[in-house]
Amino acid sequence: QVQLVESGGGVVQPGRSLRLSCTASGFSFSNFGMHWVRQTPGKGLEWVAFISDDGTKRYYADSVKGRFTLSRDNSKNTLSLQMNSLRAEDTAVFYCAKDALSETYYFQYWGQGTLVTVSS
Amino acid sequence: SYVLTQPPSVSVASGKTARITCGGKNVGDIRVHWYQQRPGQAPILVIYYDDDRPSGIPERFSGSNSGNTATLTISRAEAGDEADYYCQVWDKNSNHVVFGGGTKLTVL
Repeated sequence: QVQLVESGGGVVQPGRSLRLSCTASGFSFSNFGMHWVRQTPGKGLEWVAFISDDGTKRYYADSVKGRFTLSRDNSKNTLSLQMNSLRAEDTAVFYCAKDALSETYYFQYWGQGTLVTVSS
Repeated sequence: SYVLTQPPSVSVASGKTARITCGGKNVGDIRVHWYQQRPGQAPILVIYYDDDRPSGIPERFSGSNSGNTATLTISRAEAGDEADYYCQVWDKNSNHVVFGGGTKLTVL
């Protein structure tokens, strides 16, 4: 079955960097677009970024554009989110999510999330 | 950017029908998707492309979309349906995914 396992979360100081990873299994990773979605504790869902199946298309939320970079390694079934210049408002649970196909832009499966806390 | 508006909360008596709305300008012209998120859990997809159900989602869940409002309908509501529900679209003008603010469903 489809599994998405996020890792890399933790506590980081404002202005520093953090790299999240998502390891996928149970499906042909290279055939599907992938997303990150985040959720501030007690708040709603916020889409963060999308990468197409071949990595040629990348879209970012305005709140993270220029600070976050999404990449993928189809040979390792891995998705990565490099987060730079972190701010307190980036504190959230970050979910890795699988697109239903290549570019349907809805989320067929979600991981369990990894918590990022930005605090001094 | 595109905005989706949901009521913060909806209550329904057990066994009755709950309707959760998602308002957006001409939302009927785009595809709407719905997610259920129980406390402490990741979201799951319950409706896609306005009114399609993924396998494993009960037939009690249905969707509709017309004009400026999309609706998630939950028939014969059960205690296990208590959760936050989010609508979502793809805004092709901005290349952004957009979520509604979420609705907390309480089953009385």
